[in-house]
Amino acid sequence: DIQMTQSPPSLSASLGDKVTITCQASQNINKYIAWYQQKPGKAPRQLIRYTSTLVSGTPSRFSGSGSGRDYSFSISNVESEDIASYYCLQYDNLPPTFGGGTKLELK
Amino acid sequence: EVQLQESGPGLVKPSQSLSLTCSVTGYSITSNYWGWIRKFPGNKMEWMGYISYSGSTSYNPSLKSRISITRDTSKNQFFLQLNSVTTEDTATYYCARNNYFDYWGQGVMVTVSS
Repeated sequence: DIQMTQSPPSLSASLGDKVTITCQASQNINKYIAWYQQKPGKAPRQLIRYTSTLVSGTPSRFSGSGSGRDYSFSISNVESEDIASYYCLQYDNLPPTFGGGTKLELK
Repeated sequence: EVQLQESGPGLVKPSQSLSLTCSVTGYSITSNYWGWIRKFPGNKMEWMGYISYSGSTSYNPSLKSRISITRDTSKNQFFLQLNSVTTEDTATYYCARNNYFDYWGQGVMVTVSS
C-alpha cells in the first residue's frame, strides 16, 4: 500500500492567513491526489482532485500543487468557515489511501 | 444531484456480521464505482472496497475474506457486509462514489460491543 504522510497534524491560523498542508507519498502517485474538508458530524467534502483541479463550488482561495511524491494544499485567505479537518487521498493505486489529517483551528 | 445515504444498525455484537445499505439517488449505480470507507476513532480513514458499474468488486486486502459488497440495481442500492467483527471495527462508515470519492453519504456510526 502507498503510505501518505500528511503534515502538520494540526495548524493554528488567524483569519486572513495563508496556510499550507503537505502530503508525501511513499512512491510516485502521478498527480492522483485529492483533498477533502471535513467538519464535525459531516461527510468529507472533496475540494480538489488530480492535484490542482478545483471541484465545482470550491472557493478560489483553495489551491493544490505538486508532482511525483510531494504535494501541497493551501488556503490563501483563511475564513471562519474553513475551520475543519483536511485530508489528502492518493488514488493512483489500489487501495486508495488517506493521509492522517490536519486539524485547522483559529488562533 | 447525486445523493448517497447509509443505513443500518448502530450496534453490532462481536463475532457477528455488520450489514449496511447505501441508497443512491440522482445517479445510477450501473455507472461509475461505488465504495465503502470507514473512519476510526482517532481519525484514521480506510478504504474498504468498491463495486463497479458492471458488478465486479475490489476489496482492501487488509479485510481479507471478511468483506462482501453487493448491489440491487432495481433499487439503486449497494450493500456492505463485514463478517466476524471485533471492537476494532468500531468506526463511522461512509459510502461514496468513485475511487476518488467525489460524493459521500453522511455516514453511520457503528459500535461493536457486547
